[in-house]
Amino acid sequence: SQQGEEDPQALSIQEGENATMNCSYKTSINNLQWYRQNSGRGLVHLILIRSNEREKHSGRLRVTLDTSKKSSSLLITASRAADTASYFCATDPSGGSNYKLTFGKGTLLTVNP
Amino acid sequence: DGGITQSPKYLFRKEGQNVTLSCEQNLNHDAMYWYRQDPGQGLRLIYYSQIVNDFQKGDIAEGYSVSREKKESFPLTVTSAQKNPTAFYLCASSMRQNTEAFFGQGTRLTVV
Repeated sequence: SQQGEEDPQALSIQEGENATMNCSYKTSINNLQWYRQNSGRGLVHLILIRSNEREKHSGRLRVTLDTSKKSSSLLITASRAADTASYFCATDPSGGSNYKLTFGKGTLLTVNP
Repeated sequence: DGGITQSPKYLFRKEGQNVTLSCEQNLNHDAMYWYRQDPGQGLRLIYYSQIVNDFQKGDIAEGYSVSREKKESFPLTVTSAQKNPTAFYLCASSMRQNTEAFFGQGTRLTVV
């Protein structure tokens, strides 16, 4: 079963605009992570936010986490054509002794020059 | 260079054959994972291992097998029992908890 669900499934914007992607999940988590995947490649970690954090920044990335709503958002500011990729959220469910990252289906972001 | 390496990049299998995908990491990570990705889809967990000589089934383990005899290596065998094996397979590793996962570049398996 997939814990996280990203929204929207696809997003097309112009260079310079901001892009916002959302992730909803079902169970309590230890942390939530965002990854990027260029077509046909492996995933690259972008940012990790722990369950006791509400907001985190890394360069042009801003991630928020609302554990009461079981949701997170990823904001990419001043987007560039090179940001074109699929973006996935992944959750590490809390409870139990197993550490198991579960991914959503991703948001395909296209940034047009 | 530290990292995680998958091989081969492309693999073709005849129906009825078993094939083994390699995954090696030199990051000294305890946990390793295998995911399957179908076109336009997210990642689905096949198997994961948190320590040598131990592994657990993920959400879609049927038709697959793994071993974890060494910390650095986590090979995945796609058996003939897997009815629809054509997919992109991704291996990842991480420290045990609350840390990022590092991914290999993937193996694209095609049944011919």
